[in-house]
Amino acid sequence: EAAVTQSPRNKVTVTGGNVTLSCRQTNSHNYMYWYRQDTGHGLRLIHYSYGAGNLQIGDVPDGYKATRTTQEDFFLLLELASPSQTSLYFCASSDQSNSDYTFGSGTRLLVI
Amino acid sequence: GEQVEQRPPHLSVREGDSAVITCTYTDPNSYYFFWYKQEPGASLQLLMKVFSSTEINEGQGFTVLLNKKDKRLSLNLTAAHPGDSAAYFCAASDSNYQLIWGSGTKLIIKP
Repeated sequence: EAAVTQSPRNKVTVTGGNVTLSCRQTNSHNYMYWYRQDTGHGLRLIHYSYGAGNLQIGDVPDGYKATRTTQEDFFLLLELASPSQTSLYFCASSDQSNSDYTFGSGTRLLVI
Repeated sequence: GEQVEQRPPHLSVREGDSAVITCTYTDPNSYYFFWYKQEPGASLQLLMKVFSSTEINEGQGFTVLLNKKDKRLSLNLTAAHPGDSAAYFCAASDSNYQLIWGSGTKLIIKP
């Protein structure tokens, strides 16, 4: 079954810590996205990619890096985590031709 | 570029009543429009996708209306029930088929 799988589901790290969030899709989609969701802000796009090795900057990229190693795998990296990055992170994939997005189940990150 | 405004941010209705959430967008060339539902603690699930002008689409317990002349998309939940309590997000595709999101509506159904 086509899906978007995120790991971990929950993560706690300390300020200044190094965190990697993982996302794998089996939809054969070209596009993958990382969003953060915070109360009062809806979904905010961090980074996205339209294929392996490609990276595009979203609307709130500061403090985040991303890497698309294969068509299936998209990683979000927080190299110096800060409390302001405490959030719920969603990964999604889409086929450019029809904009249908499939979302993962989310990763809840707490930076203390 | 495309901008999407969603109203209201919060909505509380009694069970059995109707609820209407509206989004307006700016780009007349936007082609696809979406409503997603996010139940508490869960991910976003696609409710409906529309792309024809002035279209009414009916789902299970809801109606979606797209008015391209007014650049307005609405979600009308008829006879709301407790399972409708959730956050709802609209989205419009831009010229690159990327989705531009509304800020969401938190809907509460009171018994």
